[in-house]
Amino acid sequence: SQTIHQWPATLVQPVGSPLSLECTVEGTSNPNLYWYRQAAGRGLQLLFYSVGIGQISSEVPQNLSASRPQDRQFILSSKKLLLSDSGFYLCAWFPGQQNSPLHFGNGTRLTVT
Amino acid sequence: RKEVEQDPGPFNVPEGATVAFNCTYSNSASQSFFWYRQDCRKEPKLLMSVYSSGNEDGRFTAQLNRASQYISLLIRDSKLSDSATYLCVVNGMDSSYKLIFGSGTRLLVRP
Repeated sequence: SQTIHQWPATLVQPVGSPLSLECTVEGTSNPNLYWYRQAAGRGLQLLFYSVGIGQISSEVPQNLSASRPQDRQFILSSKKLLLSDSGFYLCAWFPGQQNSPLHFGNGTRLTVT
Repeated sequence: RKEVEQDPGPFNVPEGATVAFNCTYSNSASQSFFWYRQDCRKEPKLLMSVYSSGNEDGRFTAQLNRASQYISLLIRDSKLSDSATYLCVVNGMDSSYKLIFGSGTRLLVRP
């Protein structure tokens, strides 16, 4: 069966520090991969999605970037965090077929201080 | 106009009540529709997919109205454990791989 791993679960970082969040999927090949962010009390905002290795679509201009170095690995990064980057970051995978659902990791709760 | 819109609620209903949520979407070419449930400080979890003919899973019924571009979720015989935020998901305007979430409708079921 397919599983998705996301870490760390919780992170507290100072403003201006770098960020690296990692997500891996097991049990499937060539998944579509997604990074979402949820600010406190708000909805999910799509940040990046990827349909293949090295293919990244960015949805919101900001100081974050994403990379997909391997088929089942998706990384979210920042060189310098802002206070506004605080939130709940969720990685998800999607098989790509119509009516196949999106599956989420457990999320990373990031607090920028 | 947002790609996916939901009434934020909260809907505050007694146990045993029937409650319905709607979600409108802007992309007439959308093909994938889902309802997710999110508990406080947790990741969203799939509640059910939404099919063209409508579908039911126990106390939950989902329907799709393509002409008016909305999907609905009906919960019958509400339980306390149904209290959560319900999110609708639709594939986006410029890519079938871009899955867009509504901002969610909060449901509170009281004893």
